[in-house]
Amino acid sequence: AQKVTQAQTEISVVEKEDVTLDCVYETRDTTYYLFWYKQPPSGELVFLIRRNSFDEQNEISGRYSWNFQKSTSSFNFTITASQVVDSAVYFCALSESGRGSTLGRLYFGRGTQLTVWP
Amino acid sequence: DARVTQTPRHKVTEMGQEVTMRCQPILGHNTVFWYRQTMMQGLELLAYFRNRAPLDDSGMPKDRFSAEMPDATLATLKIQPSEPRDSAVYFCASGLVQGGPTDTQYFGPGTRLTVL
Repeated sequence: AQKVTQAQTEISVVEKEDVTLDCVYETRDTTYYLFWYKQPPSGELVFLIRRNSFDEQNEISGRYSWNFQKSTSSFNFTITASQVVDSAVYFCALSESGRGSTLGRLYFGRGTQLTVWP
Repeated sequence: DARVTQTPRHKVTEMGQEVTMRCQPILGHNTVFWYRQTMMQGLELLAYFRNRAPLDDSGMPKDRFSAEMPDATLATLKIQPSEPRDSAVYFCASGLVQGGPTDTQYFGPGTRLTVL
């Protein structure tokens, strides 16, 4: 069963628009960890944020913000005032607490290609 | 700025040849992961190690793939014999288990493998 679903395959916006990337996850664990990674055209995977299941506080980092809602199993990512440099594929990922570790395998969604036009 | 390094960055080979990919984790990290990215399957785990011991290799085709950590500063992924369906980007990631809320894995730049 797919553990992470990113329903938006591609999103296009014009610079300065706000954009939200959706992520829905599935797990039976009570303790789990959620992540967002960015993959720019150069191909590397850049870590953006980690959220723990017991911490539902939303987070803001500059133009980026994350909305974690356990009730709907969602972990959405919003970019405010988007810029051309934000163009990339964004991956949501889930890690479960198997083996009693806080650092386990990641289950990735299929990614959302974000294109920001000037 | 500590980073995960991977070599080679690109590899083109012919079907049947052996391929070895290398990864140098961030110094001090005790967990190393190998992932593969393809258009069809997306990003999927092949194997991972903690303190050089394999913890999970369920994603790896056992007949042709092997992963090892000869020492704490080197992880290798071998394919023998390679097949065209192995063409993908192979990512190595490393992290340090401290049992805290910030345990995270950091990715290398990837090895783009093309098997003709």
